[in-house]
Amino acid sequence: AQTVTQSQPEMSVQEAETVTLSCTYDTSESDYYLFWYKQPPSRQMILVIRQEAYKQQNATENRFSVNFQKAAKSFSLKISDSQLGDAAMYFCAYSPKNAGGTSYGKLTFGQGTILTVHP
Amino acid sequence: GAGVSQSPSNKVTEKGKDVELRCDPISGHTALYWYRQSLGQGLEFLIYFQGNSAPDKSGLPSDRFSAERTGGSVSTLTIQRTQQEDSAVYLCASSPPPGFGPRDTQYFGPGTRLTVL
Repeated sequence: AQTVTQSQPEMSVQEAETVTLSCTYDTSESDYYLFWYKQPPSRQMILVIRQEAYKQQNATENRFSVNFQKAAKSFSLKISDSQLGDAAMYFCAYSPKNAGGTSYGKLTFGQGTILTVHP
Repeated sequence: GAGVSQSPSNKVTEKGKDVELRCDPISGHTALYWYRQSLGQGLEFLIYFQGNSAPDKSGLPSDRFSAERTGGSVSTLTIQRTQQEDSAVYLCASSPPPGFGPRDTQYFGPGTRLTVL
């Protein structure tokens, strides 16, 4: 079974600084997806970034980027120029890549990291 | 366009009562997922729909839990004879078919917070 581990229950960062959230996972599959989701107090789970395992290039979305180390099964999230609105719970998630062209992707989540941003 | 919506936003019920939670996915999304988020268990997968069929119900915790989807759109999660351990946030997500968006990417609703007294 796949597992996802986030070893940092809480992290904090000063506004405008950079912070990195860690995630490791375990799978026997060679191709899969990894995601980072953000959950603010409103409860709405918001997609931050998506990585396909077969792509060696690290995904980036504006101030958010990942360091994907497939051999090490590591998938960290870097937030640059942190803003007050980045404060939230961040979840790392894994899903298998479906076969046959049908959409299927049960997500396995890590425990989450609470990010606090100090002004 | 409109995102995934869920109703009610909050539900308080008494132990032993039945509850129904509703999810309206993004229009055109063929895949629909239910998850449960609780303090003790974190985020857990419950069930997956492709169209109106449920190929994977492996996460439903007991036979008190059931779900259906009609018209390839709206889904209802039903919990019968609720117990206090059912208290959690129930999240719904939908995913577009191949060629209509980032493949295998799930978009979540705001969740329903269920409290069983």
